Amino acid sequence: AQKVTQAQTEISVVEKEDVTLDCVYETRDTTYYLFWYKQPPSGELVFLIRRNSFDEQNEISGRYSWNFQKSTSSFNFTITASQVVDSAVYFCALSARAGSARQLTFGSGTQLTVLP
Amino acid sequence: DGGITQSPKYLFRKEGQNVTLSCEQNLNHDAMYWYRQDPGQGLRLIYYSQIVNDFQKGDIAEGYSVSREKKESFPLTVTSAQKNPTAFYLCASSDTGTGKETQYFGPGTRLLVL
Repeated sequence: AQKVTQAQTEISVVEKEDVTLDCVYETRDTTYYLFWYKQPPSGELVFLIRRNSFDEQNEISGRYSWNFQKSTSSFNFTITASQVVDSAVYFCALSARAGSARQLTFGSGTQLTVLP
Repeated sequence: DGGITQSPKYLFRKEGQNVTLSCEQNLNHDAMYWYRQDPGQGLRLIYYSQIVNDFQKGDIAEGYSVSREKKESFPLTVTSAQKNPTAFYLCASSDTGTGKETQYFGPGTRLLVL
């Protein structure tokens, strides 16, 4: 079975602080894909990043960066110099083979509140 | 603009009533999905379809039904057999449905029981 754990249910920071959202995953599959999505108050899930299991390079996109560590089964997400508009629920997800088919499994999400 | 549309934004269901949620995409994606989200929880897969006229049950299919008569449309019916339908429903699509590609989501429909 596969599982995604986002242990931080809620995080509050003050604007301009850096914040890291943790994601730990479990899978027996050797080829898998990891995702981060943002869900603002409007409800729509916005795709942020996709990473495959063979690419452990960290990625930076503007104020966003992702740290993928296979050794600890983690795929953490850091927002640098947070802004109020970053306030949202962030979901980590894993696509891996469970039986004959791949399935996308979501974590329970981390509610990030950035205070002005 | 390419994207996924869901309607209505809010839907109210009376006891014993079937209701249908609409999902349309113009991304030319083969695969489409329906997820349910409950407060404070992640998304759970209801049904998915990798090709027209074919679909498979997800983790929580009981009380729901779908059809895939056209590539761009994947409506979800919440039947009276679903005893706890109040939730946020999200439709998604992806290029081929192999699980390797990204799923893109619509704006969602919030279903409430009267």
